[in-house]
Amino acid sequence: QVHLVESGGGVVQPGKSLRLSCAVSGVRFSNYAMHWVRQAPGKGLEWVTVMWYDGSNEYYADSVKGRFTISRDNSKNTVYLQMDSLKAEDSAIYYCGRGSAAAGNMFVENWGQGTLVTVSS
Amino acid sequence: EIVLTQSPGTLSLSPGERATLSCGASQSVTSNYLAWYQQKPGQAPRLLIYDASSRATGIPDRFSGSGSGTDFTLTISRLEPEDVAVYYCQQYASSSPPWTFGQGTKVEIK
Repeated sequence: QVHLVESGGGVVQPGKSLRLSCAVSGVRFSNYAMHWVRQAPGKGLEWVTVMWYDGSNEYYADSVKGRFTISRDNSKNTVYLQMDSLKAEDSAIYYCGRGSAAAGNMFVENWGQGTLVTVSS
Repeated sequence: EIVLTQSPGTLSLSPGERATLSCGASQSVTSNYLAWYQQKPGQAPRLLIYDASSRATGIPDRFSGSGSGTDFTLTISRLEPEDVAVYYCQQYASSSPPWTFGQGTKVEIK
């Protein structure tokens, strides 16, 4: 059974940074792309970023480009989301997701339980 | 960027009724690269359908997906109380991300 466990959320001031982690078990992590998807309070899902299985490519939503960075450590079965220059509108539950493929067109096959990020002074 | 529009916003039905949820795309979704997710209150999303009509592992057969091009449908053949949730469609057809979500359809039980 595939398990994804996010951590690192919390309350942070505008302009500050936060790093989220997502540990994956039950699957060969290095064979799959990994995503981050967020959900603002009471709102819908917003795709944030994806990294290919080997770290060779990464893509971002326009809303976070230049501020957020995805990375992965295949030796630790973990994907990270470094969030810099945080804004109030970044407040959301952040879900990590395992892609259905290593690269290319894919859906999110498994989801973590999410970690809450609140950006507030 | 492909924009997905879901309708209706809210669907209120009785147990045993058939639920029909729609997802329209602003341009053709090639290879029917469209997925449906279910999000129950207080829970993470769960994959229901991928490639427009393939059921994910463990999903009951009362859930089915259909459609092609710009018009897609999720059907729940006989609604059960446990199906109360928000349902999202997502396209992954774009040659590169973002792979956008629809705004969701909320399914309620009368």
